[in-house]
This record gives sequence, structure tokens and C-alpha cells, in this order.
Amino acid sequence: AQRVTQPEKLLSVFKGAPVELKCNYSYSGSPELFWYVQYSRQRLQLLLRHISRESIKGFTADLNKGETSFHLKKPFAQEEDSAMYYCALKWSGGSEKLVFGKGTKLTVNP
Amino acid sequence: NAGVMQNPRHLVRRRGQEARLRCSPMKGHSHVYWYRQLPEEGLKFMVYLQKENIIDESGMPKERFSAEFPKEGPSILRIQQVVRGDSAAYFCASSSLPDTQYFGPGTRLTVL
Repeated sequence: AQRVTQPEKLLSVFKGAPVELKCNYSYSGSPELFWYVQYSRQRLQLLLRHISRESIKGFTADLNKGETSFHLKKPFAQEEDSAMYYCALKWSGGSEKLVFGKGTKLTVNP
Repeated sequence: NAGVMQNPRHLVRRRGQEARLRCSPMKGHSHVYWYRQLPEEGLKFMVYLQKENIIDESGMPKERFSAEFPKEGPSILRIQQVVRGDSAAYFCASSSLPDTQYFGPGTRLTVL
């Protein structure tokens, strides 16, 4: 079964510190992975997708097929990064549905 | 582009009543997805629709739940005879082609 695991429910760092939000997945085949972010009182929005290999708001994520991981990283966290972060996997069995992890709440303290 | 619209934002129903949740996709999008989020959980896929067609309903409970996306008008998620366990946030997403899904603000359903 396809599954996304975000082991940390809560993560707290200080401003300027590096941050890493963990995501592991189980999937047979070539996965397509995403990070979505939800800021306070805003809707869920796409942060980045692995096939784009881009950096958004200073965040990057590398797909590691050997470790089946897609961790989200930022070298210097900012207070405005405080939000809920969801890792998601696109299911490729004929549907376009996303399988989400439970999310990690990131708090960046001043 | 106003983005994906959902209404109502909050809906309160008593056990046994019907709940109707509406989703208007972004302009030009013909693919709609519904997800449910229970407290302390991630979003769980329910159903994927294109105009007038249900493509994948593998996440829909077998009873009481139905969804449609008519040729004209919004997509509707309908829950008949609601129970307390239906209390959740229901999110709609839309896309053009099978591509990036853009999410609405969600409808928070509370069943008393």
C-alpha cells in the first residue's frame, strides 16, 4: 500500500537555525512527491514538487529512492515559515489522487 | 482568478440530516478532487471527478456519500443521514489536466 509518513507531529526551531522536516514513503514504482504548506488561516498550497527540482522560499527537497525519503530542508529558518507542512505522494494507478502524510507543525521562534 | 471556492465554510448539522458541500473549481479546470481531514489526521482522498464523470471513488464510504460534477455548476459532495463521525474538514482541489492540484479553503462540518 502506498503510504506517507511524517514522523514529527511538532517541530520547533529558532530563527536562523537550519530546519529539516522528514518525510518517508512506501511506494512501488516511480513516485511523484510534493510538499504542501498551510499557513495560519490560509488554504493549503503547493510549496514544491520533486520533479521541478526547484527551491521555493529557500526550501529544497531531494528525493532519495534508496532511503525512500523526501525530506524538506531550509538552511536558515524564518519566523514566517511557521506553518503546517504536508508531504504528499501522487498515486499513479490510473487516478491522480494524492496520498498525504499527517503533517508537521513547524514553529520558528524569534 | 479567484481560486477554488468552497461553500459554506462552516456547516452545522444534526444527526440524520443531509449535508451538501459545494466546490467551484478554478476557471479552466475540469478536474475536481475531494479530500477529508479528520482531527489530527492528514488529508484522505475521497473522490476524483471530471465533468459529468466519476473517475475514481475508491476513497468514498460505500453508503450515504455521493459526489457529482455536472456540466454546469459546482461540484457537490453530499452526505446523507450524517453521523457524528462525519465531523471533519472537507477540502476540494481542482486542476487542469492531471497536474498540480489547487486547494480550496475547506468546509468544516460539525455534526451535533
